[in-house]
Amino acid sequence: KQEVTQIPAALSVPEGENLVLNCSFTDSAIYNLQWFRQDPGKGLTSLLLIQSSQREQTSGRLNASLDKSSGRSTLYIAASQPGDSATYLCAVKRRGSNYKLTFGKGTLLTVNP
Amino acid sequence: SAVISQKPSRDICQRGTSLTIQCQVDSQVTMMFWYRQQPGQSLTLIATANQGSEATYESGFVIDKFPISRPNLTFSTLTVSNMSPEDSSIYLCSVPSSGIYNEQFFGPGTRLTVL
Repeated sequence: KQEVTQIPAALSVPEGENLVLNCSFTDSAIYNLQWFRQDPGKGLTSLLLIQSSQREQTSGRLNASLDKSSGRSTLYIAASQPGDSATYLCAVKRRGSNYKLTFGKGTLLTVNP
Repeated sequence: SAVISQKPSRDICQRGTSLTIQCQVDSQVTMMFWYRQQPGQSLTLIATANQGSEATYESGFVIDKFPISRPNLTFSTLTVSNMSPEDSSIYLCSVPSSGIYNEQFFGPGTRLTVL
């Protein structure tokens, strides 16, 4: 059974700081890994998708890496802003799972002005 | 990317009643998914809604409690039946992208509180 763990559960940083969020998964037979952002009481916004054959993806100030063999992914946020404050969720899609995503519990990020 | 809308956005319901949540997508999709997010927990897949066939439920979820309809390729409903306070959650509709990358998109969610 695939399990996804995100560390830390919560993180508070001053504005402008670079930061890293961590995600680990137990079953390396994944199709892809996706990072989402969730604002309080809202739905999920897709940030980055990494296919199992890729090592990293970048979008603006965000960079996600994937090490499938060790079951790890990181989300790097450069020059953090108060608007980045949200919960960040990591989800993996297992091969043969017919689109099912397994989620971590997320990291609650607070960026202080 | 797909644009997904859900109704209602939130509701407060009494124990023992039922609520039907609607999900509308701006493009035709083969599969639609319903997830639940209980307070402080990660998202859990309830079921996969397939057009023209019965929904496929994940372990721990049953059709009598969460009946699903999928009348066409852009619409689905999830009913939460005979509600109890434990059903208080955010319910989210999700669809995969049509491309080979299978990016997943989510609706804005329905926040349900059961008293």
